[in-house]
Amino acid sequence: DAKTTQPNSMESNEEEPVHLPCNHSTISGTDYIHWYRQLPSQGPEYVIHGLTSNVNNRMASLAIAEDRKSSTLILHRATLRDAAVYYCILRDPGGSQGNLIFGKGTKLSVKP
Amino acid sequence: ETGVTQSPTHLIKTRGQQVTLRCSSQSGHNTVSWYQQALGQGPQFIFQYYREEENGRGNFPPRFSGLQFPNYSSELNVNALELDDSALYLCASSPGLAGEVFFGPGTRLTVT
Repeated sequence: DAKTTQPNSMESNEEEPVHLPCNHSTISGTDYIHWYRQLPSQGPEYVIHGLTSNVNNRMASLAIAEDRKSSTLILHRATLRDAAVYYCILRDPGGSQGNLIFGKGTKLSVKP
Repeated sequence: ETGVTQSPTHLIKTRGQQVTLRCSSQSGHNTVSWYQQALGQGPQFIFQYYREEENGRGNFPPRFSGLQFPNYSSELNVNALELDDSALYLCASSPGLAGEVFFGPGTRLTVT
């Protein structure tokens, strides 16, 4: 399975935008880019996913590079509740398995 | 609509014992996966069940086994517990092999 690279940690101020980067240079044409986050003492939760075009939902935006070798999760206004570990994951929906392969993710701290 | 639920929340076992963890999938989901998350690490895939059949397995020994029932609830069984089995065990369900994955809150297992 293709792998992703993320910074170990990032810090943000409350109410400011946050850009979480992810590199996936070995991405295949059928891999979707998924983002999950894990709040303290909880299971991971889905944030957003995309294939080629940028995506927006109520939680975040996903900006995908034209060559698809990198992407950025954008939280438009960070809140204290956004403090979590964010995982960037590649997933092939046509694969025989639907499991997610997690790395260590980026631990986001939000300062008031 | 209830989400993914897991029981028990916490569990303490002795090395060499056996343990069974339980999971109720979100309504309508026919795919369930189990993950092990050690402290400070991302979740690691154990195995997945699709319509009551094992559909993939991660790098875990045979003493990790599972079941999926006709109502799509699931069990994770671990025999001959070792100290390194101490972790958060996460159950996740999805409406298919490629759908959004929904995680439960996890069961914290401590092996002494």
